[in-house]
Amino acid sequence: DAGVIQSPRHEVTEMGQEVTLRCKPISGHDYLFWYRQTMMRGLELLIYFNNNVPIDDSGMPEDRFSAKMPNASFSTLKIQPSEPRDSAVYFCASTISGGLTEAFFGQGTRLTVV
Amino acid sequence: GENVEQHPSTLSVQEGDSAVIKCTYSDSASNYFPWYKQELGKGPQLIIDIRSNVGEKKDQRIAVTLNKTAKHFSLHITETQPEDSAVYFCAAPGGGADGLTFGKGTHLIIQP
Repeated sequence: DAGVIQSPRHEVTEMGQEVTLRCKPISGHDYLFWYRQTMMRGLELLIYFNNNVPIDDSGMPEDRFSAKMPNASFSTLKIQPSEPRDSAVYFCASTISGGLTEAFFGQGTRLTVV
Repeated sequence: GENVEQHPSTLSVQEGDSAVIKCTYSDSASNYFPWYKQELGKGPQLIIDIRSNVGEKKDQRIAVTLNKTAKHFSLHITETQPEDSAVYFCAAPGGGADGLTFGKGTHLIIQP
């Protein structure tokens, strides 16, 4: 397996634009997590899914953020409209069975909002 | 929710020496404590984890110790090598039933 695949690796967008980040988890993994990494706040959990169903989105900062998982092999994180403070590295991770097992992270998407 | 504190934020050691990174957590019910290593431009990668039914776990040059009474756990790296240079994160269960709460990270620098 190629691991968790995220796209794009880098995204630069103007304030107010819609941004969509994509993730393909490892096949057979039932859990998918979206994290955001910044210097100030470190790694923060935004939302996670179990069997494609959103379980906990309490980490999503604002209504401008939304995430979907239409099937077991694809998830998106959307920001609309984007703001400069959304600039961060966004990671997707998957696990075979919940949070008490190894999380496999993708390479991340570095988002810059100007 | 869980609160994880990690120290130090930066650690510089001579190659061959040992490095120790410490974390404390707040939720006494937490029972799983992983450590992740993040290299530049990459996502974090699990290097070792420990569950609450043991006090120590070792894997070659890496070991983790857990003190449940004091609610702290530590990462020990012996005989450090240049490839150990990275950012290390501790974590504990938190952020929902299945998420992890991460420490702020320790930038480990191995001096040649």
